[in-house]
Amino acid sequence: DQQVKQNSPSLSVQEGRISILNCDYTNSMFDYFLWYKKYPAEGPTFLISISSIKDKNEDGRFTVFLNKSAKHLSLHIVPSQPGDSAVYFCAAKRHNAGNNRKLIWGLGTSLAVNP
Amino acid sequence: NAGVTQTPKFQVLKTGQSMTLQCAQDMNHNSMYWYRQDPGMGLRLIYYSASEGTTDKGEVPNGYNVSRLNKREFSLRLESAAPSQTSVYFCAQRRDGSYEQYFGPGTRLTVT
Repeated sequence: DQQVKQNSPSLSVQEGRISILNCDYTNSMFDYFLWYKKYPAEGPTFLISISSIKDKNEDGRFTVFLNKSAKHLSLHIVPSQPGDSAVYFCAAKRHNAGNNRKLIWGLGTSLAVNP
Repeated sequence: NAGVTQTPKFQVLKTGQSMTLQCAQDMNHNSMYWYRQDPGMGLRLIYYSASEGTTDKGEVPNGYNVSRLNKREFSLRLESAAPSQTSVYFCAQRRDGSYEQYFGPGTRLTVT
């Protein structure tokens, strides 16, 4: 049962436009969400995160929005650049996850930014 | 990927062979993780270690063993490799007091 869902396997946008990557979750006990970016042949790299007590977090061109009532979060990249082409993973942490703080991962969305 | 190193980068094994994937961090953090990534499956947790000397199973531990003999290193062992273990393996560490995990560059393993 996939608790973190990224329903779009791929997304293609034009350079300079906005990229919107979506993530839905089913477990209301999740209280912290993270986005990772992954280039081919490299490990995932942490991009941005948001706590469930917030509805928005911004870092440069990247903004994450959280809608708790809809159990939905999105990552906005503005403006999109060709170097943003990568696979983006959404991950969530459950409240009271314990000492290990395991993350639950989505399957990823492959973003292609076309020049 | 700064702070987490993995060796080897690539490995080809025959069915039944054994090998150990090595992971080391230079950040002196407590928590470390082993994941595998397969097409269409995302990242799946194999084992994790909350501190030196402790390990726990993740989602897909069958066919693997781990060892956390010291704070710096967390190794993953395949005792008898199977073609189903063909995958890319990532080691990660989590900064103490945070939720973010930081990944190594991965080991691409093929079992024939």
